[in-house]
Amino acid sequence: SAVISQKPSRDICQRGTSLTIQCQVDSQVTMMFWYRQQPGQSLTLIATANQGSEATYESGFVIDKFPISRPNLTFSTLTVSNMSPEDSSIYLCSVEADGGSEQYFGPGTRLTVT
Amino acid sequence: QKEVEQDPGPLSVPEGAIVSLNCTYSNSAFQYFMWYRQYSRKGPELLMYTYSSGNKEDGRFTAQVDKSSKYISLFIRDSQPSDSATYLCAFFSGGYNKLIFGAGTRLAVHP
Repeated sequence: SAVISQKPSRDICQRGTSLTIQCQVDSQVTMMFWYRQQPGQSLTLIATANQGSEATYESGFVIDKFPISRPNLTFSTLTVSNMSPEDSSIYLCSVEADGGSEQYFGPGTRLTVT
Repeated sequence: QKEVEQDPGPLSVPEGAIVSLNCTYSNSAFQYFMWYRQYSRKGPELLMYTYSSGNKEDGRFTAQVDKSSKYISLFIRDSQPSDSATYLCAFFSGGYNKLIFGAGTRLAVHP
């Protein structure tokens, strides 16, 4: 399985600001995924990011709010823009090992918006 | 009807007990069935992965899939305090090309 790191591990941000979360993988992967896990809830997929193409967003998530970059096969960023307290959540990146069915997760970024 | 149903618990058991965790699903297109374990303040860790009906065993863990009833289970034998975590079932279909997670069941194993 891949080793995945995320930065920052946690942050407290003010309403109206933006935060960029980085995800680094120790091997080249085709597909990377960004999830949100709100307090006490399960994981919700935000978008799928393939290198060299635009990210594909799930229903309820838009590029203006969650812009994603995927400059190479080992790195991706997710930006949470114009934050509100409702964006307080854990944000996780994951990578696929076998066509998307096996996914491995990073440790997550715990975001609190005040 | 939700696509995946999982009792959030919490479930509290004594050390050494057999634990049974369950999920039901409604989408017949799901092809792959997974269990993830998530410790507090950590990312989910893939625990078990299977694609067919029946049982798959890995040490103290057994994953069971019943496609006809749309029901999957995870059994933990001789449970240990280190098993205390949230367990999430997850499903994948090639048509959706994404994982669908259950709500997660919080398990506490006390000495």
